[in-house]
Amino acid sequence: AQKVTQAQTEISVVEKEDVTLDCVYETRDTTYYLFWYKQPPSGELVFLIRRNSFDEQNEISGRYSWNFQKSTSSFNFTITASQVVDSAVYFCALSESHKAAGNKLTFGGGTRVLVKP
Amino acid sequence: EPEVTQTPSHQVTQMGQEVILRCVPISNHLYFYWYRQILGQKVEFLVSFYNNEISEKSEIFDDQFSVERPDGSNFTLKIRSTKLEDSAMYFCASSEVPAGGADTQYFGPGTRLTVL
Repeated sequence: AQKVTQAQTEISVVEKEDVTLDCVYETRDTTYYLFWYKQPPSGELVFLIRRNSFDEQNEISGRYSWNFQKSTSSFNFTITASQVVDSAVYFCALSESHKAAGNKLTFGGGTRVLVKP
Repeated sequence: EPEVTQTPSHQVTQMGQEVILRCVPISNHLYFYWYRQILGQKVEFLVSFYNNEISEKSEIFDDQFSVERPDGSNFTLKIRSTKLEDSAMYFCASSEVPAGGADTQYFGPGTRLTVL
């Protein structure tokens, strides 16, 4: 069975600091997909990034970057130069690929990020 | 930009009553999902739906739950006889047929269900 663990329950930073969110996953599949979603105080779930298991290249997208390491089953996410608007709960999620599509997402417990001005 | 919409945003009901939560997925998407999030907890998968039938469901999705696509745009979740423990935020999501990989699920704003 698939499992996602986010060990950090809450992180508090001061604006402009970088913040890294940890995510560790478990799966028996060789092909899977990893996601990060943001849940701001208003409650909606906003898709941020997706990574395929066969592509370990790490990337940067604006102030977001991620570090995918298959050897340690980790998919960490960094916000550079944090802003108050980044305050939210961030969820890491895993999707196995039993089917071409329509696979369920398994979410981690979330990490609450508080960015203070 | 197209988005998933959900109504109502907040529903209050008495225990034992039936509720129907409504969702309008993104128009060209073919896969639909319901998830729930009990306050302060993780988001949990309930059910996925494709081609007018359930594709997968979790243990939470028992006989009290049902889903339907009554027309070309709506996707509904019905809870027949609500219990106190059904109080949660319910999220609808949709995804398109992927091109050579997994689909990304886009979520609606959620319906907060309160069972008294």
